[in-house]
Amino acid sequence: DIVMTQSPGTLSVSPGEGVTLSCRASQTVGGNLAWYQQKPDQPPRLLIYGASTRATAVPARFSGSGSGTEFTLTISSLQSEDCAVYFCQHYENWPLTFGGGTRVEIK
Amino acid sequence: EVQLLESGGGLVQPGGSQRLSCAASGFTFSTYAMTWVRRAPGKGLEWVSSISSSGASTYYTDSAKGRFTISRDNSKSTLYLQMNYLRAEDTAVYYCAKDVIPSVGGFNGCLDNWGQGTLVTVSS
Repeated sequence: DIVMTQSPGTLSVSPGEGVTLSCRASQTVGGNLAWYQQKPDQPPRLLIYGASTRATAVPARFSGSGSGTEFTLTISSLQSEDCAVYFCQHYENWPLTFGGGTRVEIK
Repeated sequence: EVQLLESGGGLVQPGGSQRLSCAASGFTFSTYAMTWVRRAPGKGLEWVSSISSSGASTYYTDSAKGRFTISRDNSKSTLYLQMNYLRAEDTAVYYCAKDVIPSVGGFNGCLDNWGQGTLVTVSS
């Protein structure tokens, strides 16, 4: 199984600052990597697929990069509504696996 | 507008059974693979099972094999998850989700629309 490792576990950031979240795969997943945002009592929301393509209606401050085993999600200027847990997920093969998540908090 | 509405959650005793349903609308259900994902309290997201658009192919996480069965009724635009021999560790919010692209007979695995989830609590 491909293990997805996210870092850091928690980020505390001031509004307007940039944020970089990391996701590492235990073996290559090519570009088959998605990022999701989940707020309390809400379902996950797809942000990025194909490692770098923004999903519909996702603000331009969210961007994804990487390929193979190393990926990043960047929020260029953190807004208060971005407080959430962010998960990466590969869809290279079965089983699909998610990272443990990074919690982003407002400082 | 794509809508996915789960139902069937609740309190069930260890060893018991539960059937979850997911009613879909706003897209051509029969052309998309579908997936169940869960999130246990205090934990992260965990993929549970996926089914191809026709229902001919299914996949399960190891802990679900032999206990859970995913199925679909394309005539009713509804996805199901039959869960048997439930354990305390199956306690979670269960989400249904659709693939980001249609694929007749295949899968993508990237999930672009999710339901609100239904809570399954396994406890005596």
